Amino acid sequence: SQELEQSPQSLIVQEGKNLTINCTSSKTLYGLYWYKQKYGEGLIFLMMLQKGGEEKSHEKITAKLDEKKQQSSLHITASQPSHAGIYLCGATKASGTYKYIFGTGTRLKVLA
Amino acid sequence: EAQVTQNPRYLITVTGKKLTVTCSQNMNHEYMSWYRQDPGLGLRQIYYSMNVEVTDKGDVPEGYKVSRKEKRNFPLILESPSPNQTSLYFCASSQDRGPLHFGNGTRLTVT
Repeated sequence: SQELEQSPQSLIVQEGKNLTINCTSSKTLYGLYWYKQKYGEGLIFLMMLQKGGEEKSHEKITAKLDEKKQQSSLHITASQPSHAGIYLCGATKASGTYKYIFGTGTRLKVLA
Repeated sequence: EAQVTQNPRYLITVTGKKLTVTCSQNMNHEYMSWYRQDPGLGLRQIYYSMNVEVTDKGDVPEGYKVSRKEKRNFPLILESPSPNQTSLYFCASSQDRGPLHFGNGTRLTVT
């Protein structure tokens, strides 16, 4: 099973609608990172969350990390076609080796 | 501009023909790593390096080699590529367990 469970796997929304993507770990995380990937291209870093309860926003995208540092959500307000792509959560674990883990991604399509 | 540069972007080769994918970063990052991305399997780590001359296996190291002779470079070597190594490869770097910075990817096809 994946160390980071991401949901949903895919999402199709009408332009202007809000949406939320979730990322869950069974273990406490050191840092949680959100990335966006256009199909077949590189991953673009969006935001990093490190503190329990932390929330960050950039333009119409807001990411939150829960108090236990095991669950994060990415919320897009008033989606636009430019938001389409694959969103991946990545993380480093609070203990153990210096290793990054990733969710399997959420494929987002925004209909104009 | 801070970046991770991978080359080539696209590569088509035949089984058994040795190849190298280069990776270079200009951010003075200590940590570098290689991933492959396959449909339904997500990103899987191949090898990583904590610093110069220090490399270690990730989750799927079989069939790959790496070296880290300089801080900025971390090439991925396929000594004898096979069709099951057809994939999208990413190099990434980071500092102090911060976010990974990814290259643009190398799409490899082995026939």
